[in-house]
Amino acid sequence: AQSVTQLDSHVSVSEGTPVLLRCNYSSSYSPSLFWYVQHPNKGLQLLLKYTSAATLVKGINGFEAEFKKSETSFHLTKPSAHMSDAAEYFCVVGRGYQKVTFGTGTKLQVIP
Amino acid sequence: GAVVSQHPSRVICKSGTSVKIECRSLDFQATTMFWYRQFPKQSLMLMATSNEGSKATYEQGVEKDKFLINHASLTLSTLTVTSAHPEDSSFYICSARDGGSGANQPQHFGDGTRLSIL
Repeated sequence: AQSVTQLDSHVSVSEGTPVLLRCNYSSSYSPSLFWYVQHPNKGLQLLLKYTSAATLVKGINGFEAEFKKSETSFHLTKPSAHMSDAAEYFCVVGRGYQKVTFGTGTKLQVIP
Repeated sequence: GAVVSQHPSRVICKSGTSVKIECRSLDFQATTMFWYRQFPKQSLMLMATSNEGSKATYEQGVEKDKFLINHASLTLSTLTVTSAHPEDSSFYICSARDGGSGANQPQHFGDGTRLSIL
């Protein structure tokens, strides 16, 4: 069984300040974890993925996430928010060829 | 990178019409594709898993006869909403997984189809 919890439904940051989007997972096996971003009326774009290699994963657009097994977390961070980062972000857990489980999403607002 | 193309992007039609949505993997072979439905301000809800050359696997509560899925080739899956009614109005998104790259590969998503039934 697997599940994922995104702790914040909304996050608001000022442009140029750091971004932290939190994600905790539950899995009975070694999981694969992903972060996706969705802009309005668009599909999901893969930001980064963790598949049991390096625990600090770097993705596109300056985002990165750290897999912490002891805390069952996979938080998404970015040092400096840009206006174009405003979107919905989904944390996703899965394994192998099985279907994945989506978090409920975090809406990121960037204030100019 | 892996690209998934979904068409059409938007459909507006009358109640009772059947609507077909196409999902294509452009630069990889997808033995498995997924169809999701997304309600406003909510996460994605998996409707069915589409396997090339075999019957789709539907999630509990999803009507097989209402949402027909065909996965006739390694690059194309279609979702047909039969006799659509206003309650079928939603945002439908497909995804595909690169079957040739081993396990634990991410899903790649199309841009979605906004279906509006009048």
